[in-house]
Amino acid sequence: AQRVTQPEKLLSVFKGAPVELKCNYSYSGSPELFWYVQYSRQRLQLLLRHISRESIKGFTADLNKGETSFHLKKPFAQEEDSAMYYCALKRQAGTALIFGKGTTLSVSS
Amino acid sequence: DTGVSQNPRHKITKRGQNVTFRCDPISEHNRLYWYRQTLGQGPEFLTYFQNEAQLEKSRLLSDRFSAERPKGSFSTLEIQRTEQGDSAMYLCASSSGGNTEAFFGQGTRLTVV
Repeated sequence: AQRVTQPEKLLSVFKGAPVELKCNYSYSGSPELFWYVQYSRQRLQLLLRHISRESIKGFTADLNKGETSFHLKKPFAQEEDSAMYYCALKRQAGTALIFGKGTTLSVSS
Repeated sequence: DTGVSQNPRHKITKRGQNVTFRCDPISEHNRLYWYRQTLGQGPEFLTYFQNEAQLEKSRLLSDRFSAERPKGSFSTLEIQRTEQGDSAMYLCASSSGGNTEAFFGQGTRLTVV
């Protein structure tokens, strides 16, 4: 069965500290992986996807097929990064996303 | 706002009543998805449409749930004989093709009392 695991419910860091939000997945094929973010009182929105291999708002994520992981990283956290972050998997084109339970990132000064 | 629109934003209903939610996707998007989110959980897939065809339904979608997208534009999700366990945020998302970004609506929060 396809599954996305985010082991941390809450991650609290100080401004300027590095951040790593963990995501592991279970899927036998070649999935597409995403990170979605939800800021306070806003709708869920795409942060980045592994096929783009880009950095958005300083965040990057590398797909590690050997470890079945897609951890989200940022070298220097900002207070405006505080939000709920969801890792998600898509089995194949056009199908629905399978989400993890999410990690709340809290960045304080 | 030209994004995905969901109505109502909040719904409180008594157990046993029927409720219907509406989702208006981004106009050129042919794919539409419904998810349910409960406290402490990520969104869970319910069903999705390509144009007016309902292509996949999750096992979460019990017989009391039905979704339609009659003209391939807006969609409705109906829950019959609501139960307290149906209390959740119901999210709608749309996309324009297989590999493109899914855009989410603000959601409809259902409370069954």
